[in-house]
Amino acid sequence: QQQVKQSPQSLIVQKGGISIINCAYENTAFDYFPWYQQFPGKGPALLIAIRPDVSEKKEGRFTISFNKSAKQFSLHIMDSQPGDSATYFCAAPGFRGGNEKLTFGTGTRLTIIP
Amino acid sequence: DAGVTQSPTHLIKTRGQQVTLRCSPKSGHDTVSWYQQALGQGPQFIFQYYEEEERQRGNFPDRFSGHQFPNYSSELNVNALLLGDSALYLCASSLLNTEAFFGQGTRLTVV
Repeated sequence: QQQVKQSPQSLIVQKGGISIINCAYENTAFDYFPWYQQFPGKGPALLIAIRPDVSEKKEGRFTISFNKSAKQFSLHIMDSQPGDSATYFCAAPGFRGGNEKLTFGTGTRLTIIP
Repeated sequence: DAGVTQSPTHLIKTRGQQVTLRCSPKSGHDTVSWYQQALGQGPQFIFQYYEEEERQRGNFPDRFSGHQFPNYSSELNVNALLLGDSALYLCASSLLNTEAFFGQGTRLTVV
């Protein structure tokens, strides 16, 4: 089963700054890499996802950068806001053909301070 | 449009007991996956149900079993509960091999 390594474990960013979270995966056979956002007491919510045929995907203030050769992908949150304070998980398919059968990273607790 | 709904929200059980958790998928979805999320950890895939059959299973013992009904809703059963089974249990629904939408989870505490 796929292993996914996520860093940092926690991150404090000033309001308006850029938050960057990194993930590394093992198996190059898979083709779907999502990021999930989770607030306390809630289930994870899909934030943005990328397929490795592109190197970057942007949706509003959220951007995924993908480096296929390094087997790494990262989440950038531009103009970070206090409402972005949450735990973020990267994920990768744990099984071939299973975008919903995911292996998650250990999570990054993001805190945006005024 | 209702999203993924899970019941109950919270549950306290005694070690050795059995528990059943329930999930109704998002409208139009036919696939249900279950995850276990321990405190401070990422969700771990337990298994997936499609067409009322278990399609894939993660590294969980046989004490964890499930079922999917003709209306696509699903149950997760855990037998012989251990203290280590205390976690948030998440249900995710999808169309097969498409993105997963998670419910709010059931917080299970084993005492």
